[in-house]
Amino acid sequence: EIVMTQSPATLSVSPGERATLSCRASQSVSSNLAWYQQKPGQAPRLLIYGASTRATGIPARFSGSGSGTEFTLTISSLQSEDFAVYYCQQYNNWPPKYTFGQGTKLEIK
Amino acid sequence: EVQLVESGGGLVQPGGSLRLSCAASGFTFSSYWMHWVRQAPGKGLVWVSRINSDGSSTSYADSVKGRFTISRDNAKNTLYLQMNSLRAEDTAVYYCARGAGRGYDYWGQGTLVTVSS
Repeated sequence: EIVMTQSPATLSVSPGERATLSCRASQSVSSNLAWYQQKPGQAPRLLIYGASTRATGIPARFSGSGSGTEFTLTISSLQSEDFAVYYCQQYNNWPPKYTFGQGTKLEIK
Repeated sequence: EVQLVESGGGLVQPGGSLRLSCAASGFTFSSYWMHWVRQAPGKGLVWVSRINSDGSSTSYADSVKGRFTISRDNAKNTLYLQMNSLRAEDTAVYYCARGAGRGYDYWGQGTLVTVSS
């Protein structure tokens, strides 16, 4: 099973600043990596797929990069609505187990 | 408008069974792989199971393999998760999600399963 590890567990950033979240896979997942945002009491929302493609309706301040085993989600100029928990997920087809990272909580500094 | 609506959650005793349903609308259900994801209270997301578009192929997380069965009825646009031999650690909100080969672009609102005596 591919293990996804996110860092840091909690990130404190001031509004208007940049946030950088990391995700590492235990083996290569190519570019089969997605990022999700989840707010309390809500279902997750797809932000990024294919490691770097923004999903429909996602603002340009969200960007993803990386391939293989190392991935980054960057949020430039944080807005109040961006404070949430972020998860990465690999969807490599083999083995067919689509594991998530443990999440990074982005909180207001 | 794409909608996924889960139902069937509730309180069940350890060792019991429950069947979750996910009613899909607003898209061609039979064209998409579907997944179940769960989230224990205050914890992260955990992938549970997936099924391909015609139901001929399934896969499971190790933690539920042999106890849970995913299925679908494309005529009824409905996804199912049969959960047997439930344990306290299965307590979670269960989400169904549409797999588009690029992550999960639509999610249901979730249904809470509580396993307790």
